[in-house]
Amino acid sequence: RKEVEQDPGPFNVPEGATVAFNCTYSNSASQSFFWYRQDCRKEPKLLMSVYSSGNEDGRFTAQLNRASQYISLLIRDSKLSDSATYLCVVNLMAAGNKLTFGGGTRVLVKP
Amino acid sequence: NAGVTQTPKFQVLKTGQSMTLQCAQDMNHEYMSWYRQDPGMGLRLIHYSVGAGITDQGEVPNGYNVSRSTTEDFPLRLLSAAPSQTSVYFCASSRQGTGYTFGSGTRLTVV
Repeated sequence: RKEVEQDPGPFNVPEGATVAFNCTYSNSASQSFFWYRQDCRKEPKLLMSVYSSGNEDGRFTAQLNRASQYISLLIRDSKLSDSATYLCVVNLMAAGNKLTFGGGTRVLVKP
Repeated sequence: NAGVTQTPKFQVLKTGQSMTLQCAQDMNHEYMSWYRQDPGMGLRLIHYSVGAGITDQGEVPNGYNVSRSTTEDFPLRLLSAAPSQTSVYFCASSRQGTGYTFGSGTRLTVV
């Protein structure tokens, strides 16, 4: 079983709609969590950290469920520019800030 | 403040050649990592460092060496290039508990 698993998609989303997807992680000792965005042939860029109480950044909302070991990302009012691959990232703090990446979920926002 | 700088951006090697991928960061981050990204495989950790003079292996270290003589620099050496090392290589840096900042990547082809 992979340490971090994501539905690869693609999620085809009409412009203006809401899309949500999850990521599961296998190590219950995982300490911190992030969502990254990666555009085609570009480097991953930090989208947001994920906090235990859940957090929001504009149209993006991230949730953490430690009991079920998953994190989620919700995008409201999708824009064409939201089309990208979203990477779920887990950090075992005891391992020196060594990040483990999921395979990514591809989102395509269409007019 | 340039962030994380990787050179070269593109490289073609012949099988058996050696080379060094350069990575430098100017944010005084203690953690640095090298990842490779292959289609369908996601990002996989090659080597990482928790500070100058300290390195450790990641998930796929074979065929690569690293050293960290300064906080700023974390070069990745390919000892004897093989076609299986054709990939996109990303260097990243961070502080403890934060997400990584990535360089723009090196696209390596081994023929």
